[in-house]
Amino acid sequence: RKEVEQDPGPFNVPEGATVAFNCTYSNSASQSFFWYRQDCRKEPKLLMSVYSSGNEDGRFTAQLNRASQYISLLIRDSKLSDSATYLCVVMWYGGSQGNLIFGKGTKLSVKP
Amino acid sequence: NAGVTQTPKFQVLKTGQSMTLQCAQDMNHEYMSWYRQDPGMGLRLIHYSVGAGITDQGEVPNGYNVSRSTTEDFPLRLLSAAPSQTSVYFCASSVSGEGTDTQYFGPGTRLTVL
Repeated sequence: RKEVEQDPGPFNVPEGATVAFNCTYSNSASQSFFWYRQDCRKEPKLLMSVYSSGNEDGRFTAQLNRASQYISLLIRDSKLSDSATYLCVVMWYGGSQGNLIFGKGTKLSVKP
Repeated sequence: NAGVTQTPKFQVLKTGQSMTLQCAQDMNHEYMSWYRQDPGMGLRLIHYSVGAGITDQGEVPNGYNVSRSTTEDFPLRLLSAAPSQTSVYFCASSVSGEGTDTQYFGPGTRLTVL
């Protein structure tokens, strides 16, 4: 099975802190990369795609290192509402289909 | 748009019972899929469909059947429930099956098999 590995955490940080998560993947043929956010007892929702050049969306920055096969997510100025589990997702092509492999998630808890 | 809807939200079954988890989407998405999420595990793909009349197996298909008679609906049937099928089940849809599209998930069905 193609693997996606994440530190499960929890990461407990104060409001305003900067926190970073890493994710490693085993399949060098992986083509697309994503971060999803999952609130407690809710469904996953796309946070952002991860591009080779790196990308930023407000307080969130995602980076991809293909040579080392890892993806990172940086959250600046953490808010209470950022508390959630962050899922690293990797896509590789098998046959004609894209296959999504989900990591187990990294739990973030932002405290007042 | 309601997005992706799932029913029921909660279900308790006895070993050996069968049931169908319902999933519907109103976004005219071609690709639909079923995942299960267990504690300490990532989401694992059970079955998927790239369009009406077309289904295929994912990573963990044993004990489950699917059908796709319309674009909107993608029910998941448990043939003979087992305690190992206790899990949270998510249905998802996307525009296509290319994997680069955003996956839209339903709210999930929490299933307990006794």
